[in-house]
Amino acid sequence: EAQVTQNPRYLITVTGKKLTVTCSQNMNHEYMSWYRQDPGLGLRQIYYSMNVEVTDKGDVPEGYKVSRKEKRNFPLILESPSPNQTSLYFCASSPTRLAGGRGEQFFGPGTRLTVL
Amino acid sequence: AQSVTQLGSHVSVSEGALVLLRCNYSSSVPPYLFWYVQYPNQGLQLLLKYTSAATLVKGINGFEAEFKKSETSFHLTKPSAHMSDAAEYFCAVSASADRGSTLGRLYFGRGTQLTVWP
Repeated sequence: EAQVTQNPRYLITVTGKKLTVTCSQNMNHEYMSWYRQDPGLGLRQIYYSMNVEVTDKGDVPEGYKVSRKEKRNFPLILESPSPNQTSLYFCASSPTRLAGGRGEQFFGPGTRLTVL
Repeated sequence: AQSVTQLGSHVSVSEGALVLLRCNYSSSVPPYLFWYVQYPNQGLQLLLKYTSAATLVKGINGFEAEFKKSETSFHLTKPSAHMSDAAEYFCAVSASADRGSTLGRLYFGRGTQLTVWP
């Protein structure tokens, strides 16, 4: 089954404790991205990757890191989480960057992160 | 630059009533427009999209939207609401033409929570 998976689905942590949220897709997609969703703000893009070893900042990259060493994986790293990073995080992938812009974007189920 | 404004963060309708969710966009190039639906505790699912073909677009679950360039709008409608339509709906826009870093990026509205009363 074609899908985007995220782990963990739920995470409660404390300020400053490094964490990684994994994202994996099995569709051989080139383009992957991370969004955060906050009430009343919709989805905002954190980082995106056009292919292996190619990443770039989205609209709200502060406090996050990403890497793309393999085509299927795009982990999101919070090196020193803070309470303002409490949010719902979505990973998404699309065949290409252009296809993503045409709506061919597949979303993962989300990771709900709470930073105390 | 692309942006989307969704009018009304919450909309409530009775079962069987018309659903109308409003979306206005701003785009410096001809846009692609989308509606996504998010059911509780789930990810986003594409409901329908406009990519410069027919201006009236039909999606899943009986939803449709009409692209009106003169009004810069892409409102979502459904003639008769069902309890299962209760969800959050997001309008999104992307640039249809190559604009460097904005190419392929989706810009989302703030969302509209739809409640359906029995």
